[in-house]
Amino acid sequence: QQQVKQSPQSLIVQKGGISIINCAYENTAFDYFPWYQQFPGKGPALLIAIRPDVSEKKEGRFTISFNKSAKQFSLHIMDSQPGDSATYFCAAISGGSNYKLTFGKGTLLTVNP
Amino acid sequence: DAGVIQSPRHEVTEMGQEVTLRCKPISGHNSLFWYRQTMMRGLELLIYFNNNVPIDDSGMPEDRFSAKMPNASFSTLKIQPSEPRDSAVYFCASSLPGTPSDEQYFGPGTRLTVT
Repeated sequence: QQQVKQSPQSLIVQKGGISIINCAYENTAFDYFPWYQQFPGKGPALLIAIRPDVSEKKEGRFTISFNKSAKQFSLHIMDSQPGDSATYFCAAISGGSNYKLTFGKGTLLTVNP
Repeated sequence: DAGVIQSPRHEVTEMGQEVTLRCKPISGHNSLFWYRQTMMRGLELLIYFNNNVPIDDSGMPEDRFSAKMPNASFSTLKIQPSEPRDSAVYFCASSLPGTPSDEQYFGPGTRLTVT
């Protein structure tokens, strides 16, 4: 059972464009939603995270939008740069468990110069 | 800090052989995780240690897999006997104590190929 569904699988964006990656979840017990960024040959690294008590969180060019009623959240990368090319994973952790990350399948982002 | 250290970075072995993957967590981190990453299944948590004690091993696929953490600075993941379907990238991650959700720092991974 895939508890966090991520789309698209891959995304190609021109430099300066907006990259949007979407995730949906089923488990209403999830209460923390991090996004991880993974470059080839490296492990995932935390990029940005949000709790369901806010609808948006912004850090630099990266923004998470959260819709609790729809059980959906998304990552927006503004002014996308070639250096942003990586695989992005959304994830979720349920209340009562501060460790068990449930990951989406990942989105391979390519930003063309 | 050097981050989470994993060895070897690449391992190629034949079916039936024993494979041991090693991990050194970030100093001071008391939680350690082993993950497996494949194209088909994505990132899966195999086992979680807290203060060197296995807390959740529900993700370990079968008895061929075992993990140990003899001290706060070292952990191993062993596969015996290995099978081609075990081919994957295995990540170790560690985190600082605290609540409610601790950032997990991932190592560079070990790419395992079983032929």
